[in-house]
Amino acid sequence: DGGITQSPKYLFRKEGQNVTLSCEQNLNHDAMYWYRQDPGQGLRLIYYSQIVNDFQKGDIAEGYSVSREKKESFPLTVTSAQKNPTAFYLCASSIAANTGELFFGEGSRLTVL
Amino acid sequence: QKEVEQNSGPLSVPEGAIASLNCTYSDRGSQSFFWYRQYSGKSPELIMFIYSNGDKEDGRFTAQLNKASQYVSLLIRDSQPSDSATYLCAVKAVAGGTSYGKLTFGQGTILTVHP
Repeated sequence: DGGITQSPKYLFRKEGQNVTLSCEQNLNHDAMYWYRQDPGQGLRLIYYSQIVNDFQKGDIAEGYSVSREKKESFPLTVTSAQKNPTAFYLCASSIAANTGELFFGEGSRLTVL
Repeated sequence: QKEVEQNSGPLSVPEGAIASLNCTYSDRGSQSFFWYRQYSGKSPELIMFIYSNGDKEDGRFTAQLNKASQYVSLLIRDSQPSDSATYLCAVKAVAGGTSYGKLTFGQGTILTVHP
C-alpha cells in the first residue's frame, strides 16, 4: 500500500536536545512538506521541498532543519533553538508543489519535558 | 486579518440535518480551494477541492465557491455521527513561474453530529 510513514508517533524530549522526526513516502511524489499543528490553530508550514536536493523555508522555519537527499525521505530536525517545540508534527506529500492535494502521514507528537 | 478564516465552532447539528461550514480568505488572487477533514488525534484527509465559481457535488458533500465575495463553503447533507470531526479549509495562492504557490490553512471548524 502506498502512503506516508512518520516515526516516531510519540516522542519526549528534554530541553536542550535535538530530535529528528522521520518521514518516508512511497507514492513517488515530488513535493514534500512539514507542518506544525497546535491546539485551536490551523496547520503552519515549517519547510517544503519541491524536488530532491532542494528545500525552502515555510512560515515558521526558525529552530528547525530538513534535508532531502532522496525522493522518498524528508526528515525534520527540531533543534534546541526552537523555543516552543511541543506540538503535533505532520509530514505531507503531493504529486507536485503546484497542487494543494496533500497526502498526510499519521503525525508525530513531540512533548518537551 | 487572518489569511484564511473559519468559525472555530463547535458547530452542533442533529443527525440527518445539513451542516454548513464556511471559510473566508483575504488573498483575492487565490486560485484553488480545499476542504480537509481531521478526526481527533488523526491527520487531515482531503475530502473536496474546487477551482471554479459555483457548486461542486460529491456524494453528500457540496463545495461552494464565490470568488467575488472571497468565501468558500462546505455543505454536508444527511449528516451522520461519523462526520463529527474538525474541517479545515485551505486556500492556494497563485504560483508564479517555478515559485511555490503557498497553501494556507484556516484554524478549522469543529463539527459535532448528535444522534
